Amino acid sequence: QVQLVQSGAEVKKPGASVKVSCKASGYTFTSYAMHWVRQAPGQRLEWMGWINAGNGNTKYSQKFQGRVTITRDTSASTAYMELSSLRSEDTAVYYCARELTIFGVVIVGAFDIWGQGTMVTVSS
Amino acid sequence: DIQMTQSPSSLSASVGDRVTITCRASQGISNYLAWFQQKPGKAPKSLIYAASSLQSGVPSKFSGSGSGTDFTLTISSLQPEDFATYYCQQYNSYPVTFGQGTRLEIK
Repeated sequence: QVQLVQSGAEVKKPGASVKVSCKASGYTFTSYAMHWVRQAPGQRLEWMGWINAGNGNTKYSQKFQGRVTITRDTSASTAYMELSSLRSEDTAVYYCARELTIFGVVIVGAFDIWGQGTMVTVSS
Repeated sequence: DIQMTQSPSSLSASVGDRVTITCRASQGISNYLAWFQQKPGKAPKSLIYAASSLQSGVPSKFSGSGSGTDFTLTISSLQPEDFATYYCQQYNSYPVTFGQGTRLEIK
């Protein structure tokens, strides 16, 4: 079945970087865009950016521009999100989410399948 | 950025009840609105896109409506598994943004 499986929890020190992976299975990886969304404790969901898994094009939220890099490895059907210069406010659960396609029509910015989430804790 | 505001922030209801959650956008977003369900410690589950279209596999007890700035999610005949937090999301323009959530609790 279609699923996204993310890498495990991370604990990082302020100033460090973290790279979270999202492995897709059950569908053609390069046919769908992948988004990254985070949720800090007690906060609403926050969109970070997305990647066109086919051609590698990316778009980032201005809030994270310069600190976030989203990449993909098509041979491994895996997307990655790297966040640098971590601070305590980056402590959150990070999710990957597949962009929705209905009968071959891409619903840009809407999601269907979500990964299980990766907890990233930033603490000295 | 488009601000999304949900009401109420929390709601108590009984099994069998019908409930409605409202989401308002700070500017018109046509029907580019989605709804999600999230249970504690779990990933969000996509319920509705295009304001009123059910995602594959989502039961018809969930329904959505609205266009422009005002939207609603209605859940009929509440069952124990429906008690969760519900979020709206606009995808009319980047960055996509989410409401603050509505926590649906058992009365």
